[in-house]
Amino acid sequence: GDSVTQMEGPVTLSEEAFLTINCTYTATGYPSLFWYVQYPGEGLQLLLKATKADDKGSNKGFEATYRKETTSFHLEKGSVQVSDSAVYFCALSDPPSSNTGKLIFGQGTTLQVKP
Amino acid sequence: ETGVTQTPRHLVMGMTNKKSLKCEQHLGHNAMYWYKQSAKKPLELMFVYSLEERVENNSVPSRFSPECPNSSHLFLHLHTLQPEDSALYLCASSYGTASYEQYFGPGTRLTVT
Repeated sequence: GDSVTQMEGPVTLSEEAFLTINCTYTATGYPSLFWYVQYPGEGLQLLLKATKADDKGSNKGFEATYRKETTSFHLEKGSVQVSDSAVYFCALSDPPSSNTGKLIFGQGTTLQVKP
Repeated sequence: ETGVTQTPRHLVMGMTNKKSLKCEQHLGHNAMYWYKQSAKKPLELMFVYSLEERVENNSVPSRFSPECPNSSHLFLHLHTLQPEDSALYLCASSYGTASYEQYFGPGTRLTVT
């Protein structure tokens, strides 16, 4: 079945460092891809998304490109801040035709940014 | 209230208790979801409701019983739970079920003793 694999955490960086969190997926169809972020004590928030191959999602300085050839959707940010410390989840959705609304999540990667 | 709200935020219950989790969305969405988030495991989809009809039930034990009385409210009724059911239970909503963005509530932290 469909699945998402993220790099293991925690990832610890100094402020202003470059961030990459790897995400690869396995899917039989053409899913949409998402990055969600969970700050301490809160629910998940959508960070960015891409709905087809070569799309780039971006938000708050974060970017990810839908790479069909490598089945990847790596999250990047050029300069992280302490406020970016959170857990990041990569996810894919079933194709729209399935109409189940099912999101499949990776296990999450904890990011810690130190001043 | 805005977005998706969940009550209670924390719940401790014994294995013989019956309790309910409540979720309310103020976004005009017509699909709602329950997820289970356990430590060191990916989020697990439990139930999906679209227009108040259940469209997905991911082999969840019968001790979890969902109810969706209208498109704004979703409940998860709990009875005779096990300690391994202790987790964060997240509710989400979306405009539809076809790859639409899901908006999550803050979750209910459940501890079963």
